[in-house]
Amino acid sequence: GQQVMQIPQYQHVQEGEDFTTYCNSSTTLSNIQWYKQRPGGHPVFLIQLVKSGEVKKQKRLTFQFGEAKKNSSLHITATQTTDVGTYFCAYAGGTSYGKLTFGQGTILTVHP
Amino acid sequence: DTEVTQTPKHLVMGMTNKKSLKCEQHMGHRAMYWYKQKAKKPPELMFVYSYEKLSINESVPSRFSPECPNSSLLNLHLHALQPEDSALYLCASSQDRGLLRRAGELFFGEGSRLTVL
Repeated sequence: GQQVMQIPQYQHVQEGEDFTTYCNSSTTLSNIQWYKQRPGGHPVFLIQLVKSGEVKKQKRLTFQFGEAKKNSSLHITATQTTDVGTYFCAYAGGTSYGKLTFGQGTILTVHP
Repeated sequence: DTEVTQTPKHLVMGMTNKKSLKCEQHMGHRAMYWYKQKAKKPPELMFVYSYEKLSINESVPSRFSPECPNSSLLNLHLHALQPEDSALYLCASSQDRGLLRRAGELFFGEGSRLTVL
């Protein structure tokens, strides 16, 4: 079956440092989404990547989808305390239409 | 503020109780979802409704019973739960993508935090 690993599980950074989380799949993904969940909150959609090699930017956030569509990354430049939370990749898995499976998530802590 | 509304926000129930979680959206979305999330874990898919019909049941125990009365409402009926069922239950909706396998962007509610004693 499809296996997607998200790393790292935890990341502690000083405010102003950069941060990257990765999702790696054993098989080709049709698309990948990224969500952010603040502590005590609910997941909020950030972006969807569909095309091979796609790169999208949202202010300090850069999202990439690998050429082989087997990996993706989320990079935050110059983190701020408001970036604290858990970042999940999510992918459409298996043969079931509409099934969106979440990666294990990366918990980001930003120290002021 | 989320456009998906879940009630109640918190629920404490005993193992013999019957309760329901409710979810409502008015974005015209035709796909609705229940996810279960334990602390420091990702959301786990439970059920998917597409056009008010159950399309995915992820082998969820029968003590969880979903219901979709209309395109805007989604309920999760709870009966004879176990303490390990304590979790955050998240409802989500998305635009239906028809025959495409591509799942749409999910809009989540704030969740119902359930404690089973």
